[in-house]
Amino acid sequence: DAKTTQPNSMESNEEEPVHLPCNHSTISGTDYIHWYRQLPSQGPEYVIHGLTSNVNNRMASLAIAEDRKSSTLILHRATLRDAAVYYCILSQVGASKLTFGTGTRLQVTL
Amino acid sequence: DTAVSQTPKYLVTQMGNDKSIKCEQNLGHDTMYWYKQDSKKFLKIMFSYNNKELIINETVPNRFSPKSPDKAHLNLHINSLELGDSAVYFCASSQRTGSSGQETQYFGPGTRLLVL
Repeated sequence: DAKTTQPNSMESNEEEPVHLPCNHSTISGTDYIHWYRQLPSQGPEYVIHGLTSNVNNRMASLAIAEDRKSSTLILHRATLRDAAVYYCILSQVGASKLTFGTGTRLQVTL
Repeated sequence: DTAVSQTPKYLVTQMGNDKSIKCEQNLGHDTMYWYKQDSKKFLKIMFSYNNKELIINETVPNRFSPKSPDKAHLNLHINSLELGDSAVYFCASSQRTGSSGQETQYFGPGTRLLVL
């Protein structure tokens, strides 16, 4: 499985943008980049995914580097409810399973 | 309506017992999964079923036996429970999209198993 590297933790102030980085230097050409998050005492929740182009949805934006070796999840205005562990995962063609790493624990403070 | 539900939410039992965890999804998906999250919070795939057929079995002890009576249900039966089985077990579902890698998985709330 192609590996991802994320910082263990990040902090943000409420109402400010948050940029969560992910390195995936061994990504293959057909791997999709997925982001999930896990709020305290809950199951993981899908956030966003992309292949090459930047993506936006109601939860977040995903910025993918031109060489695809890194990506950034952008929360435009962090709220206390965004405090969670964020996982960057490469989804391989035909693999079906998700291989979770250690993720980034995001703390949001007032 | 809950998309992926699991029962029970909490399970406390003695070593050596046999227990089952049930999972149901009402999303019409054809693929279901069991993941285990240990005390260090590592989340790992255990099994996956597609249209009631086992497609992923990640070197899980054979004390763990998944059963899929239909596409909407995937149950996990655990024999001879051990202390190390204490963890949170998450069920998930998705709709396979062929070979694209774009599948989104929807997770249940988890079953917290404590073996004493």
